[in-house]
Amino acid sequence: DAKTTQPNSMESNEEEPVHLPCNHSTISGTDYIHWYRQLPSQGPEYVIHGLTSNVNNRMASLAIAEDRKSSTLILHRATLRDAAVYYCILRSPRKIIFGKGTRLHILP
Amino acid sequence: GAGVSQSPRYKVTKRGQDVALRCDPISGHVSLYWYRQALGQGPEFLTYFNYEAQQDKSGLPNDRFSAERPEGSISTLTIQRTEQRDSAMYRCASSSSRIKYTGELFFGEGSRLTVL
Repeated sequence: DAKTTQPNSMESNEEEPVHLPCNHSTISGTDYIHWYRQLPSQGPEYVIHGLTSNVNNRMASLAIAEDRKSSTLILHRATLRDAAVYYCILRSPRKIIFGKGTRLHILP
Repeated sequence: GAGVSQSPRYKVTKRGQDVALRCDPISGHVSLYWYRQALGQGPEFLTYFNYEAQQDKSGLPNDRFSAERPEGSISTLTIQRTEQRDSAMYRCASSSSRIKYTGELFFGEGSRLTVL
């Protein structure tokens, strides 16, 4: 099963951009890269996904390396409400594996 | 319903009892996933269905755990002869089939199981 690797935790100051990295060196050609986040005491919620090209939506941007072996979730202006665990997963028609994610701390 | 619904939200049971956890996915969603989540950990895959067919059950910890989705909609995760180590949050997620490989997962609020 394709796996992802993320730092255990990161810190950022409020109102500054945050770059959350993810390595997925065993990604296959049909795997989509999905990002989810989990706020305290809630279930995971979808943030963004992509295949090859960079993607933007109202929540975040996703930058995908040319070889697709890594990606970066970009929060353009972090707020206290963005403090959560962020999960990078590979989406395919197989079982979907979550890692431990990155716990993002936002400093006021 | 508007979202994925799970019941019960909280279940406290004595060791050795059987429990059944229910998941009602978003209407029309073909894929349904079960995860277990311990405190401070990421969701751990248990099993998933496409329609009524169980596609992968490799994450079920042992034969005390089983899941079904007989009509391709509501799913039940059953744990027989519960043990204290089964205590966790059990989460269900569903996904639309229309965008099969890209469809986002929608998670329910989970069922918190405590085995005494």
